[in-house]
This record gives sequence, structure tokens and C-alpha cells, in this order.
Amino acid sequence: DTGVSQNPRHKITKRGQNVTFRCDPISEHNRLYWYRQTLGQGPEFLTYFQNEAQLEKSRLLSDRFSAERPKGSFSTLEIQRTEQGDSAMYLCASSLDGPRQYGYTFGSGTRLTVV
Amino acid sequence: DQQVKQNSPSLSVQEGRISILNCDYTNSMFDYFLWYKKYPAEGPTFLISISSIKDKNEDGRFTVFLNKSAKHLSLHIVPSQPGDSAVYFCAASEDYGQNFVFGPGTRLSVLP
Repeated sequence: DTGVSQNPRHKITKRGQNVTFRCDPISEHNRLYWYRQTLGQGPEFLTYFQNEAQLEKSRLLSDRFSAERPKGSFSTLEIQRTEQGDSAMYLCASSLDGPRQYGYTFGSGTRLTVV
Repeated sequence: DQQVKQNSPSLSVQEGRISILNCDYTNSMFDYFLWYKKYPAEGPTFLISISSIKDKNEDGRFTVFLNKSAKHLSLHIVPSQPGDSAVYFCAASEDYGQNFVFGPGTRLSVLP
């Protein structure tokens, strides 16, 4: 297993465009999380899936953001009508049956720059 | 309002000495804490966890101490090695929550 894989690694887009990121979790992990990290801050929780069900969403996840995990395997995060404030590192993480003892396994992230 | 604080943005320590990274939290409902390490261009890597029913957890060179009454935890690295140079994040969750609140991180530099 190669860990949590995120694509693309970098994305530069013009304001107002839509972008989509993909996350492939560790294959046996049933839980998948999206976090966002801005410069000088720690990761901030966006949303979480258990299998294909989206069970929790942060208030940070405005209606321009949508996440899916259609077959309980990979996940996509789409941002519509991007704004400069969306520029950040988007991190995906996965875990088996919850992160409380062994934490999540994070991917390397997708860095989004909105110009 | 920042619920998890790491008040030292950076810390420099000599190789072989002890590194102590501190974390304070405000939410008394937090009951589980994690420490992560992050190298540039990589995602955070899990280091060690502690539940609020304990006051200490140890894993090799890494020990986490929890003082619930002070709402404070610390990560001790002994002995420090140059490869430990990274940004360290403390994170907390409450009541079997699935999401963690992260602090802003402390950049540790271990000097050879």
C-alpha cells in the first residue's frame, strides 16, 4: 500500500473557475477526511465520510464546496466559483474505525492557488 | 477563538538535548489529543496520542504529558536528533468526535 494519494499536487486556477481534487485513501480504511491548511495555521476540518456516507460537515464548507465518496473508496472535493480566499493546502486523510488512538494517515495534499 | 494554542512558533535545540513542545487548550470537553510532525511538501505524520484518562504516554524517544487541570500538554523528545527538525502540531477532539482541532504548529530546529 502506498498510503493516501492526492491528485493533483498543485493547482493554479483563475478566480471564478471550478476545481476538483481527488483522494485515494489506504484501501482498507473505511473513514476519509478532508482538511484545509492555510499558511501559518494547523489543518482545519472540512468533512468526513464513513464508507460512502458523508457524516459530518464543518461550517467552513460553504455551498460552493462539495465532496463525494461514491463507492466508499476514492473521494473528490469540488470547489465551484473559486475565490482568492480558497487558496490553501487541501489535505485528505483516512483511518480505520476512527482516528483516536493511531491518528489519521494524511496524504501530501493538493496546493490550490487562486489568481 | 483558537481552541488549541501553541504559543511558541519556533524552537531551536542542540542535538542530543531535550526538546519540549507545549500546547494549551481552552475546551474542557476535549478528551483525546494527538501530536503530528510535518516535513515540507509532505502531509502531517502521526507521532503519539494520549487520552484524558492518562497523564503520560511514551513511545521511544517521544513522551506526551497531559495536565488536565491546567489544560496543558507537552511533547518531550529525548534525545533530539537533526531528523526531528519539522513543524509539530498538537490536535484535540472531544467526546469520541471524528474530527480534530489542530493548533498552529511549532517549528523545531535541531542543530547538529
